[in-house]
Amino acid sequence: GAGVSQSPRYKVAKRGQDVALRCDPISGHVSLFWYQQALGQGPEFLTYFQNEAQLDKSGLPSDRFFAERPEGSVSTLKIQRTQQEDSAVYLCASSPALVGGLAGGPGTGELFFGEGSRLTVL
Amino acid sequence: RKEVEQDPGPFNVPEGATVAFNCTYSNSASQSFFWYRQDCRKEPKLLMSVYSSGNEDGRFTAQLNRASQYISLLIRDSKLSDSATYLCVVEVGNTGKLIFGQGTTLQVKP
Repeated sequence: GAGVSQSPRYKVAKRGQDVALRCDPISGHVSLFWYQQALGQGPEFLTYFQNEAQLDKSGLPSDRFFAERPEGSVSTLKIQRTQQEDSAVYLCASSPALVGGLAGGPGTGELFFGEGSRLTVL
Repeated sequence: RKEVEQDPGPFNVPEGATVAFNCTYSNSASQSFFWYRQDCRKEPKLLMSVYSSGNEDGRFTAQLNRASQYISLLIRDSKLSDSATYLCVVEVGNTGKLIFGQGTTLQVKP
């Protein structure tokens, strides 16, 4: 399809394992965001990219979390030495717009989300 | 204090009712505001942007009060299909960083 694609959709990891979550944004979308959503909560910002540049990673909870988008398209969120508190849905979203300061104006606000990767850490 | 705060609800209303959700934000430099809708176990989708002058889209009306740092969403003539979680979203300054509130759950009953 033409939407944002995330894989795996479901991942069960044992505490201490490393996991990698993949996001394929909509083709041509410049901006890519990662959010973490715990049950009953809103999505929490993790990090975002404009093309291959990671403009903000202030939301990453610890140095166990790492995100990359080396060619400005597909992105991977890696979590090392997973802990139970990492259990959540990880949402990826893309936007065709240049957001924020580089665009010279308010963001468009329209993010296109994937269905998420549900991570359960036992 | 959270950057974007919402009453989580749930709001249980009968079909045809009018319901209003509120949201407050802490960063006075924020410039862009939005409402997203999220169905159970689905991804969020943009419902509408919120403009300074207020704006309407069918049965939905969004309003912004910059002085009070307050955003609202009004739904008139509620339908069963309006049952969902409504997320208030604020752009931090002009950074493109979108911060989501906790969400307000609406259940419309027959």
